[in-house]
Amino acid sequence: IVLTQSPGTLSLSPGERATLSCRASQSVSSSFLAWYQQKPGQAPRLLIYGASNRATGIPDRFSGSGSGTDFTLTISRLEPDDFAVYYCQQYVNSPPYTFGQGTKLEIK
Amino acid sequence: QVHLQESGPGLVKPSETLSLTCAVSGFAITSGYFWGWVRQPPGKGLEWIGNIYQTGTTYFNPSLKRRVTVSVDTSKNQFSLKLTSVTAADTAVYYCARHMMVRGEIGAFDVWGQGTMVTVSS
Repeated sequence: IVLTQSPGTLSLSPGERATLSCRASQSVSSSFLAWYQQKPGQAPRLLIYGASNRATGIPDRFSGSGSGTDFTLTISRLEPDDFAVYYCQQYVNSPPYTFGQGTKLEIK
Repeated sequence: QVHLQESGPGLVKPSETLSLTCAVSGFAITSGYFWGWVRQPPGKGLEWIGNIYQTGTTYFNPSLKRRVTVSVDTSKNQFSLKLTSVTAADTAVYYCARHMMVRGEIGAFDVWGQGTMVTVSS
């Protein structure tokens, strides 16, 4: 399964709303789609699993939605700490558990 | 608190074998989870390599399957990665991570190691 994220780069200002897209080459059960945040020099951090469930400690300004082949990560009000690269990942039964190519969220 | 720590050589010669170990602390590796490896070439995205269960059951990325071995040492609470016949294309940060288990099925990676940079060069 190939995951395509868009846009490649998103330029926004703090306080704005961010909408990141992840499209799968074939249907992915929503139970098997995750979003991660990665900052420079750090390991990825799990934000969302099962398409819409926030991981432990993740603020409620992060939300995930979608089903089938189209999934979305929304950050309702951007804070300075949110500017990073975001990856989606599918983990449907059969490996490989592929990642999207990433969306870089940068400060405008 | 679960902590994962990768260790191994930072420099490997072309055609040789890359060997890394992930030490797990604060959590028993035999607690019914899958443990995996992910890599990230400099400036690029994430690539899932493979994973292992406490029983030794493994799954691999087909693109790497011929060259990858993942093993578990429950007595040391750690698991390991071996990648043979390396080339410059294998230069990357290598992460170990824990898969969540959701209703008995493999889930997302919820705990990650800090990563270790491995360079393939003569």
